[in-house]
Amino acid sequence: DTGVSQDPRHKITKRGQNVTFRCDPISEHNRLYWYRQTLGQGPEFLTYFQNEAQLEKSRLLSDRFSAERPKGSFSTLEIQRTEQGDSAMYLCASSYKTQGTGMPTEAFFGQGTRLTVV
Amino acid sequence: AQSVTQLDSHVSVSEGTPVLLRCNYSSSYSPSLFWYVQHPNKGLQLLLKYTSAATLVKGINGFEAEFKKSETSFHLTKPSAHMSDAAEYFCVGASGGYNKLIFGAGTRLAVHP
Repeated sequence: DTGVSQDPRHKITKRGQNVTFRCDPISEHNRLYWYRQTLGQGPEFLTYFQNEAQLEKSRLLSDRFSAERPKGSFSTLEIQRTEQGDSAMYLCASSYKTQGTGMPTEAFFGQGTRLTVV
Repeated sequence: AQSVTQLDSHVSVSEGTPVLLRCNYSSSYSPSLFWYVQHPNKGLQLLLKYTSAATLVKGINGFEAEFKKSETSFHLTKPSAHMSDAAEYFCVGASGGYNKLIFGAGTRLAVHP
């Protein structure tokens, strides 16, 4: 399967602990996105990368959150000092964008990492 | 900035009857709009997308959507529901120069025999 993969699929952690999630995008995709989805809501944009550069961060991404894509391939999302309000599904997506104006290709989503903070 | 509003949080239909999932958008410019489907324990999947080439957009699995600028709507339809269509459906707009997707709150479609 050459789709977007996320690891782990589920994570239960105690409040105050740090957690890290990994996303492996489709190999030829240069764009990588992180979204968060809480119960009964649509996904909300967190941040995106073009290759290794993080180009935009949502205000939802507090200073406890950090995302990296060091070699322009896989990405990690770390949450420090987790809070119960961080419990959500964290979704990763990837697409391809050529230089210049115009839309990126369709965004393909992974199955997500479900985080539960107890 | 673009936003989307899904008018129904739950829709229930009988198998074999038509499906209508409603979505309104607001945008100060020509929008890019999408419908995604999310089945339990599966990733979000693109059903169809509108990018101004044609107002009636056909997607996968028999779904289609019509862009109506006068009504600022992009409703999703299917002539005949199948049990496998039961899922969560999201109307989605693109924002920030297509750099991010803006999701509606979702409509849960139930299909009963």
